[in-house]
Amino acid sequence: QVQLVQSGTEVKKPGASVKVSCKASGYTFSTYTIHWVRQAPGQGLEWMGWINAGNGHTKYSQKFQGRVTFTTDTSATTVYMDLSRLTSEDTAVYYCGRSLYPNRGFDYWGQGTLVSVSS
Amino acid sequence: EIVLTQSPGTLSLSPGERATLSCRASQSVSSTYVAWYQHKPGHSPRLLISGGSSRAPGVPDRFSGSGSETDFTLTISRLEPEDFAVYYCHQYDSSLQTFGQGTKVEI
Repeated sequence: QVQLVQSGTEVKKPGASVKVSCKASGYTFSTYTIHWVRQAPGQGLEWMGWINAGNGHTKYSQKFQGRVTFTTDTSATTVYMDLSRLTSEDTAVYYCGRSLYPNRGFDYWGQGTLVSVSS
Repeated sequence: EIVLTQSPGTLSLSPGERATLSCRASQSVSSTYVAWYQHKPGHSPRLLISGGSSRAPGVPDRFSGSGSETDFTLTISRLEPEDFAVYYCHQYDSSLQTFGQGTKVEI
């Protein structure tokens, strides 16, 4: 069965970076796109961008451009989200989600990773 | 960036009632590129509708999506206890995708 399993909770200081992983299984990894979406406390869902898991092509939300990097490791069927220069505003649950193409709904989601930024 | 505005913010209803959730886009969006998700606390979002009106596998037929251009609707024909949650619309017509701010359906 399709699964997206994310790495665990992260606690970071302001100014640091965080790397969250999303390991896929149960389907052909390279034929899908992985999106990253976050939810800050008490807020709604916020789209951060996507990566083509097979060829590594990316598209980032303008809000995160220059501060976020998505990478893919096809041998490990894992996608990574690296977010730098963290502030308290980046405290959120981060989700990965799968779509067949970049412009499709997200049919499977990871369980979410809490990133807490505090001094 | 296309802004999606959902209304109402909160919908207070009882089991068995009909729920109508609205999503308005700041510019025209092809209905082919609109999705709806259900999100419960402590869980991941769940895809309900994609392509504007196509139910995802396993989604009960009490959920339906409709709309065009700038106005889209998610309808839950008869609310079941498990339907009380937050619902988000999502557009992926633009290369910069966006979500609405959510509608909470509460008892």
